[in-house]
Amino acid sequence: DVKVTQSSRYLVKRTGEKVFLECVQDMDHENMFWYRQDPGLGLRLIYFSYDVKMKEKGDIPEGYSVSREKKERFSLILESASTNQTSMYLCASSSTPAGTKNIQYFGAGTRLSVL
Amino acid sequence: AQKITQTQPGMFVQEKEAVTLDCTYDTSDPGYGLFWYKQPSSGEMIFLIYQGSYDQQNATEGRYSLNFQKARKSANLVISASQLGDSAMYFCAMDMEYGNKLVFGAGTILRVKS
Repeated sequence: DVKVTQSSRYLVKRTGEKVFLECVQDMDHENMFWYRQDPGLGLRLIYFSYDVKMKEKGDIPEGYSVSREKKERFSLILESASTNQTSMYLCASSSTPAGTKNIQYFGAGTRLSVL
Repeated sequence: AQKITQTQPGMFVQEKEAVTLDCTYDTSDPGYGLFWYKQPSSGEMIFLIYQGSYDQQNATEGRYSLNFQKARKSANLVISASQLGDSAMYFCAMDMEYGNKLVFGAGTILRVKS
């Protein structure tokens, strides 16, 4: 089974703190993704990566950065946390699909509260 | 731009009955994939079923089936014989033929009543 592990289930941080969310996958997947989930908005893509040291902006990259130094690990960084970044963060990974069958496998999510 | 619309914020269904969750999509690409994911209260997104735009038959996976109507651009999820464990948030998503990104709808909360 594919396993995507997010380092924390719950985090509470203060405004202005630098926050690291870690994600590790064990299936040698090329692609990794960070989403945030808010009620009524579904999942929105923050950043994704097709390979080590490669990253691309998603739909809502402002206020975030990412790091992918190893294939299995993809980190999301909030440089200076703000209250509007309080959300559920989901990490996913996938192999490069044949055709359109791009099944993404998700971690359990990190619920971040910024006070 | 591609878009997924789920018009039902919440649904109730009696245990053992069937339920249909609606999903419509918008794309001008000829090749695309449609997905359904389940998110229980624990938070993890679980892949349920996939339908390719070129597939001739509707996808089925156990109690899940996808009612794919290409001309109407709809990809409704049908859950047969609902169980209490089916209570969750359900998301419809779409992928493009030459991309690795998924676009998600807002989700539908399903509650199964005993």
